[in-house]
Amino acid sequence: NAGVTQTPKFQVLKTGQSMTLQCAQDMNHNSMYWYRQDPGMGLRLIYYSASEGTTDKGEVPNGYNVSRLNKREFSLRLESAAPSQTSVYFCATHSAGNTIYFGEGSWLTVV
Amino acid sequence: QQQVKQSPQSLIVQKGGISIINCAYENTAFDYFPWYQQFPGKGPALLIAIRPDVSEKKEGRFTISFNKSAKQFSLHIMDSQPGDSATYFCAASRGGGTSYGKLTFGQGTILTVHP
Repeated sequence: NAGVTQTPKFQVLKTGQSMTLQCAQDMNHNSMYWYRQDPGMGLRLIYYSASEGTTDKGEVPNGYNVSRLNKREFSLRLESAAPSQTSVYFCATHSAGNTIYFGEGSWLTVV
Repeated sequence: QQQVKQSPQSLIVQKGGISIINCAYENTAFDYFPWYQQFPGKGPALLIAIRPDVSEKKEGRFTISFNKSAKQFSLHIMDSQPGDSATYFCAASRGGGTSYGKLTFGQGTILTVHP
């Protein structure tokens, strides 16, 4: 049981490039989330999806887009990467028992 | 603004000692208060959580104390072990379906337990 799988694990982008972070869960959970983690700031919610086909903005959505194409997958896209988007990104899912499961993270550096 | 303030930023404890991390929140609508443990290179993992209808919850060596009137909650780690060395985050959210996962996190506490 892989749980929450994120790809890629590490990525270096040049300013202005685009990329998509992929997240897949095998726990059949409805809700999925994208967070970013910056030093000294804890984790902050970027976007979330309550169910397949629905998405909503979190605390820091600017510069990002998301897609929830099916129940398993929730992707995060950076259309034009900026150095301020250098961060560690975590995907998470929410179980019926109200436990939030996080992936292992994607380290993104924008130069 | 929804905020959760966590202290201290770092904590050093001797093996066998008690580690105490404190959090304060502002939004009285929060009704779910989890603590997460994070090891380097890994995602946060749920350690223990509490709802505001109880003042204390204990699971093994980990205890959450909750003070609703003061809008504060804390994590106590009894008999701290070197394996407990990690970053700890408090968080809060409003209950109800997807809202449980819309967490507001504290800034994190780096715990080091010396053998």
